[in-house]
Amino acid sequence: DAGVIQSPRHEVTEMGQEVTLRCKPISGHNSLFWYRQTMMRGLELLIYFNNNVPIDDSGMPEDRFSAKMPNASFSTLKIQPSEPRDSAVYFCASSLGDRASFGQGTRLTVV
Amino acid sequence: KQEVTQIPAALSVPEGENLVLNCSFTDSAIYNLQWFRQDPGKGLTSLLLIQSSQREQTSGRLNASLDKSSGRSTLYIAASQPGDSATYLCAVRHKGGSRLTFGEGTQLTVNP
Repeated sequence: DAGVIQSPRHEVTEMGQEVTLRCKPISGHNSLFWYRQTMMRGLELLIYFNNNVPIDDSGMPEDRFSAKMPNASFSTLKIQPSEPRDSAVYFCASSLGDRASFGQGTRLTVV
Repeated sequence: KQEVTQIPAALSVPEGENLVLNCSFTDSAIYNLQWFRQDPGKGLTSLLLIQSSQREQTSGRLNASLDKSSGRSTLYIAASQPGDSATYLCAVRHKGGSRLTFGEGTQLTVNP
């Protein structure tokens, strides 16, 4: 298995632009998580899905952030409009049972 | 709200030393605790997972212990090697959910 696949690996965008981050979970995993990592706040859970249904989105910072999981093999995290303070590494993880497997992350820079 | 703290924030040791990384959490109603490794610019790799009913787990040179009642876990690394240099994060999963709450990590440097 190729593991959790995220794209793009790096994204640089101008303030105000829409950003879409993509994730392909491990086949057969039924939970999917989006995390954000910054120096100031460490790793924070933004949202997680179970069987494609959003279960807990309390970590989504504001309405500019949205996440979807249209099927078991794909999820997106969208930021519209983006702001410089959104600059971070965004990780997607999936799990079946106890262990979560993380993707390599998308490093987002908003200038 | 669960809070996870890791001490020290950074640690530098010579090769061959045995070392201990500490993790504490405020809410003992956990489902399990995991230790992860993160290399610069990379994702997280799960090292050890301890269920709430367990006291320790071992994998090679790594040993993790859990004292749920006191809200503490330690990661013991024996005979450290330069390849062990990375950031080590602990994360707790609360009962009744899938959310992981992470500590801020310990950045380990093992010098040859």
